[in-house]
Amino acid sequence: NAGVTQTPKFQVLKTGQSMTLQCAQDMNHNSMYWYRQDPGMGLRLIYYSASEGTTDKGEVPNGYNVSRLNKREFSLRLESAAPSQTSVYFCASSGWDRVYSYEQYFGPGTRLTVT
Amino acid sequence: QKEVEQDPGPLSVPEGAIVSLNCTYSNSAFQYFMWYRQYSRKGPELLMYTYSSGNKEDGRFTAQVDKSSKYISLFIRDSQPSDSATYLCAMIPAGGTSYGKLTFGQGTILTVHP
Repeated sequence: NAGVTQTPKFQVLKTGQSMTLQCAQDMNHNSMYWYRQDPGMGLRLIYYSASEGTTDKGEVPNGYNVSRLNKREFSLRLESAAPSQTSVYFCASSGWDRVYSYEQYFGPGTRLTVT
Repeated sequence: QKEVEQDPGPLSVPEGAIVSLNCTYSNSAFQYFMWYRQYSRKGPELLMYTYSSGNKEDGRFTAQVDKSSKYISLFIRDSQPSDSATYLCAMIPAGGTSYGKLTFGQGTILTVHP
């Protein structure tokens, strides 16, 4: 039981390049989330998927797109990377019920640098 | 102004000390209050949660919520070097379109030295 896994662990991009961050969970959770973490800013929600087939914007969605490929997988795409997207990205998942959505399980993170 | 404010520290204490970590918030709709712990270069993990006001105790950890003051606290008794981590408070309203949308504080970096 691996929990939430993310790939890659590290990535360096040049401005304007694109990439996709992958996330998978094996806990049979309905809901999945993408956050970014910047110094002094805490964790900020980028996009989330309450259930398979649905996605919605969070606090900071600009410059990102997401795909909920199936119940297990939720990917985050940067179409044209910018230095402001340098950050640590975390994927998380939680149970389906609203009561349990606060108990989110996080992956190990992807450290992204855009030069 | 951020919805949730948390002193980033860093906070350094000797082993065995009582640690107090705090957050203030402005959104009176918040009903669930969580504390996440994040070790260096790891993802956050849920430590404790409290619904509405009151206290909750789990071993050496106590979470308090004072909704009248919009203030939450986490106390760590008999702190250990293994408690060294960043502690993030998080909150969420009940119901409506707030599903899953945690609002996090900035995190407090805690170091417990032997």
